Amino acid sequence: DVKVTQSSRYLVKRTGEKVFLECVQDMDHENMFWYRQDPGLGLRLIYFSYDVKMKEKGDIPEGYSVSREKKERFSLILESASTNQTSMYLCATRPDSYEQYFGPGTRLTVT
Amino acid sequence: GNSVTQMEGPVTLSEEAFLTINCTYTATGYPSLFWYVQYPGEGLQLLLKATKADDKGSNKGFEATYRKETTSFHLEKGSVQVSDSAVYFCALTDRTGGSYIPTFGRGTSLIVHP
Repeated sequence: DVKVTQSSRYLVKRTGEKVFLECVQDMDHENMFWYRQDPGLGLRLIYFSYDVKMKEKGDIPEGYSVSREKKERFSLILESASTNQTSMYLCATRPDSYEQYFGPGTRLTVT
Repeated sequence: GNSVTQMEGPVTLSEEAFLTINCTYTATGYPSLFWYVQYPGEGLQLLLKATKADDKGSNKGFEATYRKETTSFHLEKGSVQVSDSAVYFCALTDRTGGSYIPTFGRGTSLIVHP
């Protein structure tokens, strides 16, 4: 069975803190994605990676960075968290068959 | 560029009613089409997919047909249950250009009352 795990389901951080969101997959998929989900805006792509150490900007990369040192792990980093980064963050992977497999999400609140 | 347009919700139905959620798309190439479902507090999961024109995807009583002539992929279910209450996302992946970046609609919330 396909499994994508995210390090936390709920996270509360203070403005200015550095935040790490971790995503781990056990499916050997090349492609991994980070989205944020906000009411009325649907899913917006932050970054994606198609191989180890490779990354590409999505639609809203500002304020975020990513790291992929190993194939199974894709990390999203908020260098200095701000209140407008309060959101649900979803990690996804994708094999060659084009459908995506999502993790359960991390609901981040920045106060 | 690519885009997906879904009907706005929420869609509110009584149990055993017929469901249609409309989805239309624009794509520069020849996309694969998907419906994902998100239950409360969870991530998205694939509900069904279709990879070429006239294909019908089906799962758990839901179905959708890839209509190239109308660029549509409407989701239907003959008799909804309370447990179908969720947010439904239509999506496409365009195979041209090699990047295969998915494009999602904004989601349609479905509420089913007993």
